[in-house]
Amino acid sequence: DVKVTQSSRYLVKRTGEKVFLECVQDMDHENMFWYRQDPGLGLRLIYFSYDVKMKEKGDIPEGYSVSREKKERFSLILESASTNQTSMYLCASSYDASLLGTDTQYFGPGTRLTVL
Amino acid sequence: ILNVEQSPQSLHVQEGDSTNFTCSFPSSNFYALHWYRWETAKSPEALFVMTLNGDEKKKGRISATLNTKEGYSYLYIKGSQPEDSATYLCASDNYGGSQGNLIFGKGTKLSVKP
Repeated sequence: DVKVTQSSRYLVKRTGEKVFLECVQDMDHENMFWYRQDPGLGLRLIYFSYDVKMKEKGDIPEGYSVSREKKERFSLILESASTNQTSMYLCASSYDASLLGTDTQYFGPGTRLTVL
Repeated sequence: ILNVEQSPQSLHVQEGDSTNFTCSFPSSNFYALHWYRWETAKSPEALFVMTLNGDEKKKGRISATLNTKEGYSYLYIKGSQPEDSATYLCASDNYGGSQGNLIFGKGTKLSVKP
């Protein structure tokens, strides 16, 4: 079974703190994604990566950065956390679908971050 | 801006009722339509991937259809059970290729009362 793990289920941080959210997948997937989910807004893409050291901005990258030093690990960084970054953060991974045209994304359990 | 719309936003049914909901997606540059089930406190889990116009997929009591020309998909649940309670997400792949981006709808939250 594909497994995507996230470092914490719940996290509470203070405004201005630097926050690291870690995601690890064990299926040798090329693509990895970070989303946030807020009530009434659905899943919104923050950043994604299609290879080691590669990153692309999603729909809402402001206030976030990412790091992908190893294929299995994709980190989301909040340089200076703010209260409007309180949200559920989901990581996902998928195969390179260039030959298939599409591929399923496999999700982690999510990290519920509260910024006070 | 590409947008995926799902309706209704939420649905309350009794155990044994059959139900269906809709996903509307951009038909231009369409590659595939994904359905996910997201139960509370769990990870979203893939249900179906559909690519061809007229595609129909089935998994137990849940089935889905696809119309790529008009840009919609229906998800049907026959004889709903309390364990079907979840948020059902659809996601459209209008990019294809190697990056794997999906455009997610906001979901339909289904509650099944025993």
